[in-house]
Amino acid sequence: GQNIDQPTEMTATEGAIVQINCTYQTSGFNGLFWYQQHAGEAPTFLSYNVLDGLEEKGRFSSFLSRSKGYSYLLLKELQMKDSASYLCAVSSDYKLSFGAGTTVTVRA
Amino acid sequence: GAGVSQSPSNKVTEKGKDVELRCDPISGHTALYWYRQSLGQGLEFLIYFQGNSAPDKSGLPSDRFSAERTGGSVSTLTIQRTQQEDSAVYLCASSHPLLGDASETQYFGPGTRLLVL
Repeated sequence: GQNIDQPTEMTATEGAIVQINCTYQTSGFNGLFWYQQHAGEAPTFLSYNVLDGLEEKGRFSSFLSRSKGYSYLLLKELQMKDSASYLCAVSSDYKLSFGAGTTVTVRA
Repeated sequence: GAGVSQSPSNKVTEKGKDVELRCDPISGHTALYWYRQSLGQGLEFLIYFQGNSAPDKSGLPSDRFSAERTGGSVSTLTIQRTQQEDSAVYLCASSHPLLGDASETQYFGPGTRLLVL
């Protein structure tokens, strides 16, 4: 079976940094995705990691350690519009298994 | 179209009725997925279509759920004899598994919010 864990909620201040951790135990691994989902909207693609290490994309970075079954999404210089749910998803056999999502609230 | 589209955006039905949900994937995407997102839950895989291959139906929760994909493009998810626990957001996604680095990136539609009374 697939088991993907991430914190339920996180709160941070505008301009700060937040790190969302994700641990996984899955049968098969073709990569790990992070999606952002604003309330009432579709998930949108943020990042994809298939090799160990850090991938940086502007204010967002994602890290993967396959040996530890661990990833994190780092959000820098937080803005109010970053308030959303962040979904960790593991791909195996072209199917995505999602964690329950981490709701990030950015306060002024 | 530019993105994945789904219809209807909202559906309210009575328990026991059948519903059909439609998904138009991104043009040229050969893979299509259906997911269900219940309140406070993660996305739950339902079914996967890839080209002309037999679909992966391993995520369908019961035989009341079925899906088809006509002509390798549009897909319809049908729920027969709906139950209150079927109330959820049904999301469709498509991808083009043969392209580039993030080759399995799935692009999601806006979803259909189903409420069974």
